Amino acid sequence: DIQMTQSPSTLSTSVGDRVTITCRASQSISSWLAWYQQKPGKAPKLLIYTASSLESGVPSRFSGSGSGTEFTLTISSLQPDDFATYYCQQYKTYSRTFGQGTKLEIK
Amino acid sequence: EVQLVESGGGLVKPGGSLRLSCAASGFTFSSYTMNWVRQAPGKGLEWVSSISSSSSYIYYADSVKGRFTISRDNAKNALYLQMNSLRAEDTAVYYCTRDQGVYYDSSGYYYFDYWGQGTLVTVSS
Repeated sequence: DIQMTQSPSTLSTSVGDRVTITCRASQSISSWLAWYQQKPGKAPKLLIYTASSLESGVPSRFSGSGSGTEFTLTISSLQPDDFATYYCQQYKTYSRTFGQGTKLEIK
Repeated sequence: EVQLVESGGGLVKPGGSLRLSCAASGFTFSSYTMNWVRQAPGKGLEWVSSISSSSSYIYYADSVKGRFTISRDNAKNALYLQMNSLRAEDTAVYYCTRDQGVYYDSSGYYYFDYWGQGTLVTVSS
């Protein structure tokens, strides 16, 4: 299976900050990468697919980039609603795998 | 509006069985591959199983192969997961998800665009 590694695991940040989360794949996955947001007690929500395509209805402060083995999720100006855990997921193979998650905490 | 509603979770003893259901609405269920994804308490996400639109293709994670069986009933817009020989490590919230993506260069590339609210399965004596 393709291993996905996110960094950092936890990020203490403030409203208005620019936030970048990194996701690395153990082998090339081209651009077959998605990002999800999960709040406590809720299901994950799709934010980004194909590395950089914004899902309909997702605010434009979210953006994704990268290809091959290295990817980033950027939140341009953090809003109170954005404190959550973020997961990357590869879908190059049918055995789809997720990163371990990055939790955004209030500083 | 797309809705996925899971049910059937609960407390079961190790070695026991449980059947999860997912009721789908708001889209043409019979046109989509569907999946189960789980999340152990306080842990990350793990893909469990997938079933194609006509049930022709079925896939399982190694961790559940031989113990879990995925199925669907397109007439009822329902997805199922029969879980047998349950272990403590199967304790998790189980989510029903819909596949979305592209078929490109003889291969399919699919992410999960809709998720249900999840149902908790607890395996404990």
